[in-house]
Amino acid sequence: EIVLTQSPATLSLSPGERATLSCRASQSVSSYLGWYQQKPGQAPRLLIYDASNRATGIPARFSGGGSGTDFTLTISSLEPEDFAVYHCQQRSDWPITFGQGTRLEIK
Amino acid sequence: QVQLQESGPGLVKPSETLSLRCTVSGGSVSSSSYYWNWIRQPPGKGLEWMGHIYYSGSTKYNPSLKSRVIISVDTSKNQFSLNLSSVTAADTAVYYCARRDCSSGTCLNFDFWGQGILVTVSS
Repeated sequence: EIVLTQSPATLSLSPGERATLSCRASQSVSSYLGWYQQKPGQAPRLLIYDASNRATGIPARFSGGGSGTDFTLTISSLEPEDFAVYHCQQRSDWPITFGQGTRLEIK
Repeated sequence: QVQLQESGPGLVKPSETLSLRCTVSGGSVSSSSYYWNWIRQPPGKGLEWMGHIYYSGSTKYNPSLKSRVIISVDTSKNQFSLNLSSVTAADTAVYYCARRDCSSGTCLNFDFWGQGILVTVSS
């Protein structure tokens, strides 16, 4: 199965700063990678699909990039509500797999 | 707006079968545009896709669970279900049902999720 490795495990930043999260695949997933945000006690929320497409209702400060094996999620200017856990997920091959998550915490 | 809601027991004994149901509102499990999924998350850990079902009844499972998992659909009740047999403490997790959108001709990511239900395996 395709293993997704997210880095860093924890990212400490302040509101207003720029956040860059990484997801690396063990083999090419083309552009078939998505990103989710998860807050405590809540289900994940789809942010980005197919590497760079924002899902419905997602603010423009969230952007995704990359292809093949290396992907990034960028939050251009952190808002207080952005501090959460972020997961990447590939749909290129079965089984569908997720990364282990990056925790974005307030510095 | 589509809504999904998980239901079922929150405590299951080791070696028994975990059974959960997902009720869909605002949409139809009979639609050919979607796959209906189960995903779980052990406490403090990452997400694991367990499997999906199509309205026709066709299924696909994660090989790591294939021998223990069955997903079924009840179109008359607009529900789909998960059965996981021979559970152990390692199956303790929050279980989510989720929709995968295939309406564009290719199946994208999981766009709608239930709130999740914590199932603990313990005697």
